[in-house]
Amino acid sequence: QKEVEQDPGPLSVPEGAIVSLNCTYSNSAFQYFMWYRQYSRKGPELLMYTYSSGNKEDGRFTAQVDKSSKYISLFIRDSQPSDSATYLCAMSQAGTALIFGKGTTLSVSS
Amino acid sequence: GAVVSQHPSWVICKSGTSVKIECRSLDFQATTMFWYRQFPKQSLMLMATSNEGSKATYEQGVEKDKFLINHASLTLSTLTVTSAHPEDSSFYICSARDPWTGGAGNEQFFGPGTRLTVL
Repeated sequence: QKEVEQDPGPLSVPEGAIVSLNCTYSNSAFQYFMWYRQYSRKGPELLMYTYSSGNKEDGRFTAQVDKSSKYISLFIRDSQPSDSATYLCAMSQAGTALIFGKGTTLSVSS
Repeated sequence: GAVVSQHPSWVICKSGTSVKIECRSLDFQATTMFWYRQFPKQSLMLMATSNEGSKATYEQGVEKDKFLINHASLTLSTLTVTSAHPEDSSFYICSARDPWTGGAGNEQFFGPGTRLTVL
């Protein structure tokens, strides 16, 4: 079993839809959870950063971490065509390198 | 947020030559930088962890003699791909950890990446 599992998609939604992206993981020692957005041929851009369990909201984005289930989610409200990208979950223990999921490719059509 | 730059953004070289890629943290000092490689439609694979003033730590399967990493200052790390071959063609991305941001300094900021094509 890989440490971090993420459905690669692709996921296609119409503009304005609510998007749900998820990752599961196996290492209970992970404490830091991140979501990155990556456009084609660009470096990843940090979207959300969460420590331990709970929810975090930033504009149209909400990140949830459920450590008991080893499950994290990213919700995008009122999705826009500009949200079309690959979304990578990443997680780590304190001071260690990030472990990435494979990334989910999202396409939002206008 | 913190800014990380990479240079060059795109390089084409002949097989057997060496290529150096620079990674700079522009507005913070990064004691730790990471180098990743990403093949098309794949996720980022960690190659090595680079700590300022010490030798890099390489992931299993990454040849340290082929991928030379130098982290000579708190704002600069370099990756040199020696004797490059077509199978080394990939997207190389660095990231830097800002120790002064929240979460015990575990946020990583990524450079824009360098696309290497070896002919």
